[in-house]
Amino acid sequence: QKEVEQDPGPLSVPEGAIVSLNCTYSNSAFQYFMWYRQYSRKGPELLMYTYSSGNKEDGRFTAQVDKSSKYISLFIRDSQPSDSATYLCAMRSSSSNTGKLIFGQGTTLQVKP
Amino acid sequence: GAVVSQHPSWVICKSGTSVKIECRSLDFQATTMFWYRQFPKQSLMLMATSNEGSKATYEQGVEKDKFLINHASLTLSTLTVTSAHPEDSSFYICSAAGTSERSDTQYFGPGTRLTVL
Repeated sequence: QKEVEQDPGPLSVPEGAIVSLNCTYSNSAFQYFMWYRQYSRKGPELLMYTYSSGNKEDGRFTAQVDKSSKYISLFIRDSQPSDSATYLCAMRSSSSNTGKLIFGQGTTLQVKP
Repeated sequence: GAVVSQHPSWVICKSGTSVKIECRSLDFQATTMFWYRQFPKQSLMLMATSNEGSKATYEQGVEKDKFLINHASLTLSTLTVTSAHPEDSSFYICSAAGTSERSDTQYFGPGTRLTVL
């Protein structure tokens, strides 16, 4: 069993839809959670960074962490074709930013105009 | 902020030659840099972690003599693929973890696509 599970998709939605992307994990020691967006043939770009449980909002993006369920989510409101990319969840247990990140497989999202 | 660059963005080389990839943190100092490899439609695979002025720590299964990593300064790390072979063809991505205002997580470079003929 992988430490972090993420449905690879692909997920196809119409423009303007609300998108929900999710990851589950097995290691209860994970405390720091990230979502990265990766366009084709590019490096991952940090979208959201959260610590422990709770919600964090940034523009059209909302990250949720439910440590009791070992479940994290990324919501995208008013999705745009430019949001079409692969979304990677990542997490670590160490409080140091040099700690090893454990990644999900990535979910490919396509937003159709 | 938190800009990380890589050079070159793509490289094609002949089998048996060596290739050097540079990773630079442009607007922050990176005490630690990481090198990843990514195959098509797969997630990132950590190859090694390097700290400035120290030897790199390689993940299990990664040949340290084949993938030479040097972290000479707080803004530069290099990955040299020695005696490259077609199976080394991949997308190589570096990331950097900084100090002070860039201390939350790793920031990634744009990647380098290596093709070995």
